[in-house]
Amino acid sequence: DARVTQTPRHKVTEMGQEVTMRCQPILGHNTVFWYRQTMMQGLELLAYFRNRAPLDDSGMPKDRFSAEMPDATLATLKIQPSEPRDSAVYFCASGADTDTQYFGPGTRLTVL
Amino acid sequence: DQQVKQNSPSLSVQEGRISILNCDYTNSMFDYFLWYKKYPAEGPTFLISISSIKDKNEDGRFTVFLNKSAKHLSLHIVPSQPGDSAVYFCAARRRLSGANNLFFGTGTRLTVIP
Repeated sequence: DARVTQTPRHKVTEMGQEVTMRCQPILGHNTVFWYRQTMMQGLELLAYFRNRAPLDDSGMPKDRFSAEMPDATLATLKIQPSEPRDSAVYFCASGADTDTQYFGPGTRLTVL
Repeated sequence: DQQVKQNSPSLSVQEGRISILNCDYTNSMFDYFLWYKKYPAEGPTFLISISSIKDKNEDGRFTVFLNKSAKHLSLHIVPSQPGDSAVYFCAARRRLSGANNLFFGTGTRLTVIP
C-alpha cells in the first residue's frame, strides 16, 4: 500500500527557531507538492517540483521558507526563522504527472 | 486572491438524504476539476473529478456537475451516509497549460446525522 509519508506529525517550537519538515513521496511519482492548510485560505500551494526540479514556489515566503528535493525519495520544507503566523498544517503530496495528487497525513506545526 | 471558492463552511444532512456541496471559480482557464475528501488528522484523498468537456460525471453515490457558463460545480452525494462526514475540498487545474498544481477552495465540512 504505497503512501506519502511525512515527519514529524506534530511539531511545537518557539518563535525564531528553525523547523524542517520531511516528506517521502510515493516511489515512482515525479511531482511533489507542498501545501499549507489554514482556516482562511484552505489549502495553499507553497511549492512544487517535477523530476526534482522546482517549478513553482511563488506561494512561499522567500525570506524564511525554502523547499528542496535532495533526491527522489526525499522532499524538505524548511522555515527559518519560524514565526507564530506559520502555525498551520503542512501537507506534502505526490503524483505521477497526472491529475490526481496523493497527500501525506500532514505535519501540524505550532510556533509559540 | 481565492480563485476557487466554497462559500458554505459547513453543511448538515440527514442520513439517506442528498448532500449538495457547491464550488465556484473565477479563472476561465481552469479545465479540470476535482473533489477531495478529508478526515481529521489525515491528508485529503481524491474523490471524483470532471473535465471541462463534460457537464456531469458519476461514480457510485457521488456525482459532480459542472456549469461552465456560471463557473460553478457541485458535488451530489446520494444517499448520504454517516461515513461521508468529512471536509470536502473543491480543486481546479489548468490542465492544458501543462501545470500540475491545483487550486483549492477553503473546504465545506459535511456532517451526516444518523
